[in-house]
Amino acid sequence: DVKVTQSSRYLVKRTGEKVFLECVQDMDHENMFWYRQDPGLGLRLIYFSYDVKMKEKGDIPEGYSVSREKKERFSLILESASTNQTSMYLCASSFRQRGTEAFFGQGTRLTVV
Amino acid sequence: GDSVTQMEGPVTLSEEAFLTINCTYTATGYPSLFWYVQYPGEGLQLLLKATKADDKGSNKGFEATYRKETTSFHLEKGSVQVSDSAVYFCALQRDDKIIFGKGTRLHILP
Repeated sequence: DVKVTQSSRYLVKRTGEKVFLECVQDMDHENMFWYRQDPGLGLRLIYFSYDVKMKEKGDIPEGYSVSREKKERFSLILESASTNQTSMYLCASSFRQRGTEAFFGQGTRLTVV
Repeated sequence: GDSVTQMEGPVTLSEEAFLTINCTYTATGYPSLFWYVQYPGEGLQLLLKATKADDKGSNKGFEATYRKETTSFHLEKGSVQVSDSAVYFCALQRDDKIIFGKGTRLHILP
């Protein structure tokens, strides 16, 4: 069974903390994605990566960075967490081939207090 | 930039009613189009897809046709069930990027 695993289901962090969200996939996918999901706003793309050490900004990259040192792992970093980053964060992965589906993790609900 | 617009929800229907959820897109070139579904308490999963103009994707009684002339990919089902209650997301893929619409919450009443 295909699997995208996010390291935590729930996280509570303080304002100003550095936060790491980890995502691992076991399908040898080239592409990996980070989205945030907010009510009324749907899924918004933060960053994506199409290869090791490669990254591309999505629609809302401000306040975030990413790291992809190994093909199977894609980390989202909040350098200094703020309350407006309280959200559900979804990781996904896919092959690079056009038209292939993305597989999603279960999500990490992050609360910044 | 690329974008996806889908009808606002929530949509409430009675069981066995006909369903349409509208989706239009803006993109250069020839994107692939998808519908994903998120059932309560679960992650997103693919419902159906189409990769070129006039293709029809179908799954679980749902259908959508890739209409390039109207830049649309409307989701339809002839007779909905209570178990179809979920949030539905239209999405496009172009190059390596996948862009989602805001989602449409569907409630089916028994």
